[in-house]
Amino acid sequence: QSALTQPASVSGSPGQSITISCIGTSSDVGNYNHVSWYQQHPGKAPKVIIYEVSKRPAMISNRFSGSKSGNTASLTISGLQAEDEADYYCSSHVGATNYVFGTGTKVTV
Amino acid sequence: EIQLVESGGDLVQPGGSLRLSCAASGFTFGSYWMSWVRQAPGKGLEWVANINEYGSQKYYVDSVKGRFTISRDDAKKALYLQMNSLRVEDTSVYYCAREWELEGRFDYWGQGTLVTVST
Repeated sequence: QSALTQPASVSGSPGQSITISCIGTSSDVGNYNHVSWYQQHPGKAPKVIIYEVSKRPAMISNRFSGSKSGNTASLTISGLQAEDEADYYCSSHVGATNYVFGTGTKVTV
Repeated sequence: EIQLVESGGDLVQPGGSLRLSCAASGFTFGSYWMSWVRQAPGKGLEWVANINEYGSQKYYVDSVKGRFTISRDDAKKALYLQMNSLRVEDTSVYYCAREWELEGRFDYWGQGTLVTVST
């Protein structure tokens, strides 16, 4: 199972919006609505910020939003803040029981 | 407070074995699927294995099949990963994570334990 494809880096200025893409196949992203996004700060464990394509867990800012079209999922961060500087990973179910993560995107503010 | 605490990481030679543990607290451990996810130094996340709430279903990424075994002890609220025939490429921080299988997400993670495979 190959990793989902994400851009290596994305940057933006404070207050701007950025979008991170996550390209999969018809066997993973295109076949399931179980797409999640994780934020990871250096030396810390990942934290889920989006699940089931577009749902936000409690306490996650509404500046984070997710969507999907075909085999591509996207994470948008609006009103970019310094604290958003981190690595971001998408993930998807594959084969109903297994998971695959994206290659990861470093966001620079 | 929900907590997951991994232990057992160490330096081991290629071909060696290691058993990781994850101690859970703050939730009904026996009601959840659990997963192991790893991250090589400076690299991305890789899902390794998961186990259902009953311990009857176990799934693995292809690269560890036949070498790693996931298990759980609900009485002890513990998750395990037995790793045999370790390779240099298994060097990673290993995280245990609580899984919402029906939603396809990992909502709580431990702090990770480092496994280094080297001569």
